[in-house]
Amino acid sequence: EDQVTQSPEALRLQEGESSSLNCSYTVSGLRGLFWYRQDPGKGPEFLFTLYSAGEEKEKERLKATLTKKESFLHITAPKPEDSATYLCAVQAGANNLFFGTGTRLTVIP
Amino acid sequence: EAQVTQNPRYLITVTGKKLTVTCSQNMNHEYMSWYRQDPGLGLRQIYYSMNVEVTDKGDVPEGYKVSRKEKRNFPLILESPSPNQTSLYFCASSIRQGGAEAFFGQGTRLTVV
Repeated sequence: EDQVTQSPEALRLQEGESSSLNCSYTVSGLRGLFWYRQDPGKGPEFLFTLYSAGEEKEKERLKATLTKKESFLHITAPKPEDSATYLCAVQAGANNLFFGTGTRLTVIP
Repeated sequence: EAQVTQNPRYLITVTGKKLTVTCSQNMNHEYMSWYRQDPGLGLRQIYYSMNVEVTDKGDVPEGYKVSRKEKRNFPLILESPSPNQTSLYFCASSIRQGGAEAFFGQGTRLTVV
């Protein structure tokens, strides 16, 4: 059964304290892995697409990496505005995505 | 501005009273989908559409209907809502099949009493 698990459920960081969020998956025939950011009361916002093991993508303080079984979202020197829930999703079949339950990140000034 | 617009944003209704949540996108995307988001369960796909007049069930389609008569619109219909359909609903559209890299609407918070 296709499954996406994110950890930790919640993470509190001091401003400037770097860390990583994890997304582990078990799917047959991965077509892509996607990271989204969701702010309270809003819809998810697309961040990154990763297709194959070893691939990396960067945007400002965020860097996403992919292995054969998991992906990491590295946050370097976070700021309070990085506080949000980060969602991981995988595309296994042709027509749909499976989402994890997310990691709620709080960055304290 | 690229947008997915849902209406209403908030809705409280009674069990059994039919309702429709509208969704419209201005990006000419072929792929659209509906999700519900519940605490501890994450986003789960209800229905998706690969193009006009082409729709299919997602993971949790029971109690819902959709239609896709125009490319830009993809309404979600609850013919007889029940309390277990109380949830936060999101519409999404994507240029890519499968819904990857999707644009999401702002969400509709539905309460069925």
